[in-house]
Amino acid sequence: AQSVTQLDSHVSVSEGTPVLLRCNYSSSYSPSLFWYVQHPNKGLQLLLKYTSAATLVKGINGFEAEFKKSETSFHLTKPSAHMSDAAEYFCVVRYDKVIFGPGTSLSVIP
Amino acid sequence: GAGVSQSPRYKVAKRGQDVALRCDPISGHVSLFWYQQALGQGPEFLTYFQNEAQLDKSGLPSDRFFAERPEGSVSTLKIQRTQQEDSAVYLCASSSRLAEYNEQFFGPGTRLTVL
Repeated sequence: AQSVTQLDSHVSVSEGTPVLLRCNYSSSYSPSLFWYVQHPNKGLQLLLKYTSAATLVKGINGFEAEFKKSETSFHLTKPSAHMSDAAEYFCVVRYDKVIFGPGTSLSVIP
Repeated sequence: GAGVSQSPRYKVAKRGQDVALRCDPISGHVSLFWYQQALGQGPEFLTYFQNEAQLDKSGLPSDRFFAERPEGSVSTLKIQRTQQEDSAVYLCASSSRLAEYNEQFFGPGTRLTVL
């Protein structure tokens, strides 16, 4: 069955430290991959997407993600967390359907 | 111009009532999606339109849920005889092409509370 796993339901980092949000997918072939962010009371916003052109994808607000086929992973990273990064993050895979992961809540401590 | 809009933003219904949720996609967007997001969970796919054609409704949880997009633009999600388990945020998204890599633009959602 096609699925997407976000290994951490909640991640807490200090401001200025690196962020790592993990995502793994299950598939016998490479799907389309996306990361979305959802701030409280706001709509979902696309951070970045993997389109098979390059394994390292750069997104908005300093985020990037690396597609690793051998590990079926698409982890989201940022070198230095900012207070405004506190939000819910969703890893999304698209096969014939769009499947959202359960989400990771990111807290940033001043 | 504007992004995806949804109305109402909040809806409270008594159990057994029918509700209708509206989505205005970005002008010219061919594809339209509906999702259901329960509290503390990720959105779950409900149904998908390409223009006026409903190509996938496999995510609709029961025959009480019905969606339409008669002119290929505005869409309505209708829930008949609402139940408490229908309480969730209903998200609409639109996309400019069918291409699999294309970004979906999401509306702010309609928060439905069934008492």
